[in-house]
Amino acid sequence: GESVGLHLPTLSVQEGDNSIINCAYSNSASDYFIWYKQESGKGPQFIIDIRSNMDKRQGQRVTVLLNKTVKHLSLQIAATQPGDSAVYFCAEINSWGKLQFGAGTQVVVTP
Amino acid sequence: DGGITQSPKYLFRKEGQNVTLSCEQNLNHDAMYWYRQDPGQGLRLIYYSQIVNDFQKGDIAEGYSVSREKKESFPLTVTSAQKNPTAFYLCASSIGPIVGQAQGEQYFGPGTRLTVT
Repeated sequence: GESVGLHLPTLSVQEGDNSIINCAYSNSASDYFIWYKQESGKGPQFIIDIRSNMDKRQGQRVTVLLNKTVKHLSLQIAATQPGDSAVYFCAEINSWGKLQFGAGTQVVVTP
Repeated sequence: DGGITQSPKYLFRKEGQNVTLSCEQNLNHDAMYWYRQDPGQGLRLIYYSQIVNDFQKGDIAEGYSVSREKKESFPLTVTSAQKNPTAFYLCASSIGPIVGQAQGEQYFGPGTRLTVT
């Protein structure tokens, strides 16, 4: 079946370094992707999104890259801070609006 | 402030009892969703509603029921038929179900952690 998944379950990053979180998707018909951040015990929060007609989108300290050729999505966090410690989910929206989430990557920021 | 509220934050029930989780939004969103999240896992869709008085089963609807009598409210009942009800339950809403940048993004509530013993 079609699925969204993440390559790494846990990412340990030193404070101040850049983080890169990867996500693979298999539904070539999906045209909208979102990255969410979920802190412990809370609901997911929207970080950034990207449509399939783009290959890069930048926000504040975050950049999302989309490579449709290999069906790969990544989230880059610049100058990672302790407050960035959380689980990060990529999600795709398929042609009829259903949001499908990957399993998530735990980012741990170390001093 | 506009947003989604879920109550209570923590809920404890005995096995065999039905329990209803509350979800309210004042964002004027048409679509609402219920997800279940188990430790170390992603979100799985239980039920969703695109409009008042209409709802559809998600991927794991067995043992759950919902209603959508008001636009603002989408309560979820976890019935005794649900084999493993202990989980973190998340409610979300979006402007509409149609794919589009503004319509696709889902806004999440803070979640309810249900423990059944």
